Amino acid sequence: NAGVTQTPKFQVLKTGQSMTLQCAQDMNHEYMSWYRQDPGMGLRLIHYSVGAGITDQGEVPNGYNVSRSTTEDFPLRLLSAAPSQTSVYFCASKGGETEAFFGQGTRLTVV
Amino acid sequence: AQSVTQLDSHVSVSEGTPVLLRCNYSSSYSPSLFWYVQHPNKGLQLLLKYTSAATLVKGINGFEAEFKKSETSFHLTKPSAHMSDAAEYFCVVSGTGGFKTIFGAGTRLFVKA
Repeated sequence: NAGVTQTPKFQVLKTGQSMTLQCAQDMNHEYMSWYRQDPGMGLRLIHYSVGAGITDQGEVPNGYNVSRSTTEDFPLRLLSAAPSQTSVYFCASKGGETEAFFGQGTRLTVV
Repeated sequence: AQSVTQLDSHVSVSEGTPVLLRCNYSSSYSPSLFWYVQHPNKGLQLLLKYTSAATLVKGINGFEAEFKKSETSFHLTKPSAHMSDAAEYFCVVSGTGGFKTIFGAGTRLFVKA
């Protein structure tokens, strides 16, 4: 049972480049979400999804797009990377009242 | 709407002394509450969770937390700190149905020898 798998673990982008952070879970969880972690600010919710075909914005959605075509996958897209998006990104999945299960994180640097 | 406030950004204790990390929450619904720990350059590990059963919740590594609805608090405690407890701790709230999980800003715990 792999749980939540995030790829890549590390990425360096140039300003203006685009990329997709991948997230997959094998627990059949309905709820998936993306967070960014910055020093002193905890984890802030970027986007979340309560099921295939349903997504919504979190606290800091600007500059990010998501889609949820299957229960298992929830990719996060940066259309035009900016230095302010340098951060550590975590994907999570959750099944109802259970705790959230997190991926190992992606450390993204935008230069 | 839900929110979480961790009242201390940093807490410093001596090894062998008690630990208290404070958390207040706000939720329009009956919340589920969690504490996670993150060691440097590591992922997030669940310490304990409250989901409307017993108000005193015991977790891993000797940690426990008490849900106090009247005070909207969910403080994390441990009777005796160990050096390996040095980490960042996050208080987390989810609303009814368990979705839209919101994190506090975190409390960094330092343990002195």
